[in-house]
Formats: sequence, C-alpha cells, structure tokens
Amino acid sequence: AAGVIQSPRHLIKEKRETATLKCYPIPRHDTVYWYQQGPGQDPQFLISFYEKMQSDKGSIPDRFSAQQFSDYHSELNMSSLELGDSALYFCASSPDGGGYEQYFGPGTRLTVT
Amino acid sequence: KNQVEQSPQSLIILEGKNCTLQCNYTVSPFSNLRWYKQDTGRGPVSLTIMTFSENTKSNGRYTATLDADTKQSSLHITASQLSDSASYICVVSPQTGANNLFFGTGTRLTVIP
Repeated sequence: AAGVIQSPRHLIKEKRETATLKCYPIPRHDTVYWYQQGPGQDPQFLISFYEKMQSDKGSIPDRFSAQQFSDYHSELNMSSLELGDSALYFCASSPDGGGYEQYFGPGTRLTVT
Repeated sequence: KNQVEQSPQSLIILEGKNCTLQCNYTVSPFSNLRWYKQDTGRGPVSLTIMTFSENTKSNGRYTATLDADTKQSSLHITASQLSDSASYICVVSPQTGANNLFFGTGTRLTVIP
C-alpha cells in the first residue's frame, strides 16, 4: 500500500539559509499535518492543511511557512535557519478532513550547522 | 503541563517476556487514543486506535486497553522480540474536531536477548 512520502530524507543547511521540505500524502488523503521532533523530545504539531487551506496552526515559528497544493502535496518552507531548527520533521496525512487516523511519513532529518 | 503522561519512561526486559506500558491523560473532551511504535529516527507507526466506547483492541502481540472513566490506557506486549525495542507513544485526540494531537512522553522499551 502507498505510504506518505517525504523528501529529502536528510538535509544539511547552514545558519541563516533556507530549506524546503516536501510531503506527498497517501492518495485520496486530503489533510496533511507537519510535526517537528527535536532530539529526545515529543513531536510538536506545527501546522495542518485540509483541501489546500490551513486548518490548524500549532507552534510553527514565523520564519516557517507551509502550503498545500492542488495535488494535495505540501511543502514546509523554513527561512533564516537556526541551530535549534535541527530536528526530525514528520508529515502525516489523513482522509476526509482528518480528525481520526493519521499516517506518518518517514520524516526528514534537518541538520543546521 | 503535558496532558498525556506515560510510564515508565524506560523499560528493559528479556526477550520472550511480557510487559505493560501505561498512559494517563487529562485531555478533554476526548475522541480517541492511539498507541504508536517509533523506531529511533523513524516516523511513528500506528499499533492501535480506540474510541471512548472501546475497552480493548489487539494487533498481533500488542493489546491496548482503555478506561475512559479513569482516563487511563495500557499497552501490553506479549512474548517480546528484539525488534520490539523502540519508543512507544500514546497519542490522544480531542473531540472538538481540532486537527491537533496530544502526544505522550513515550516509553523507551529495550528488549535484550
């Protein structure tokens, strides 16, 4: 069965650079969530989209932005990267507006040096 | 204050033994509770999901229980295998249709031969 795809799987950036993470949800899933998991920490909800519109917002820094496109894939744009942004970024998708089961992608490991 | 607490924080058991992980939550209102298995650096994998009306649910060697009155859940693993070594995360979803999830602190399980 198809799963959530995230790219790239690993990314190394320097401070103050920008990064773009991509998430391709399971086919026919219309809701996408982004989570940030720092080393040894719980995943923190960042933002979610339903039918290309932002549906919920969590602890996403102002330096980050995200959007969902017409094919339901989503991109998380991160600017002015800081050392503290080094983390594992998970994307999850749900069908029918979400609220029930979320299927997680493998994550993108971002390292800021 | 974290609204989902798990215990123990870490656990080491011998291969073949059983173990039980605990999850207490204060999230209200409550829609459903999920248990995830997360290997280091990987995305969480869903084990079970229960609504407030379900008391128990099994998935192979994993059996989850839920007491919505006391707001407690447990995950029982039988006949543990080395591959069970991972973090087990309890995740609670509120009822209001919000797309956010409340993550527990996780239990780090290590199975040794």
